[in-house]
Amino acid sequence: NAGVTQTPKFQVLKTGQSMTLQCAQDMNHNSMYWYRQDPGMGLRLIYYSASEGTTDKGEVPNGYNVSRLNKREFSLRLESAAPSQTSVYFCASSPSPGTGLGNTIYFGEGSWLTVV
Amino acid sequence: TQLLEQSPQFLSIQEGENLTVYCNSSSVFSSLQWYRQEPGEGPVLLVTVVTGGEVKKLKRLTFQFGDARKDSSLHITAAQPGDTGLYLCAGALLYGGSQGNLIFGKGTKLSVKP
Repeated sequence: NAGVTQTPKFQVLKTGQSMTLQCAQDMNHNSMYWYRQDPGMGLRLIYYSASEGTTDKGEVPNGYNVSRLNKREFSLRLESAAPSQTSVYFCASSPSPGTGLGNTIYFGEGSWLTVV
Repeated sequence: TQLLEQSPQFLSIQEGENLTVYCNSSSVFSSLQWYRQEPGEGPVLLVTVVTGGEVKKLKRLTFQFGDARKDSSLHITAAQPGDTGLYLCAGALLYGGSQGNLIFGKGTKLSVKP
């Protein structure tokens, strides 16, 4: 019962380095999301993919890019990491977009990223 | 920017006490969800409410969606140490929101002491 799997779990980057956070779900969900969680700020949506082949910006997309590689995988790339991107990143998936009744959003366990 | 305001931000109580957490907004939501998050893990969905005035119960947890669909509350009866965690409300805007853009409150950190 893997659910949503994201890697790596922990990463330290130097300012200006690039990296990709990988996410895969095995629940045949159509929609996938990337959130960041910061103390006192709650969860904020970076990008989402309502269905395979589509991606859209969320609340805080600057400095990030995403790729919906296939139905299972949704990656998040930091092209030039900045200290402001130090955060905990969560990948999530759901059968369809939004929060309709029965549309449970499942989260991964998080990736802790520190940019120094 | 539409916001979901959660209160209180922190809550520390003794086992057996009752508590209520609030989630308020000036915006109308088509639906609202409550999640619980434990340290080192992702949020886990507790409930979804979609109808104004709706009340849902999950064991000792009671969730209510406001009549105008702008607010919600979570009431825990006889809290136990296992209820400790971060409680998050999240909503999909009825108007002006983009598909898939779920707005989260900042959370209420609950600590239940034995």
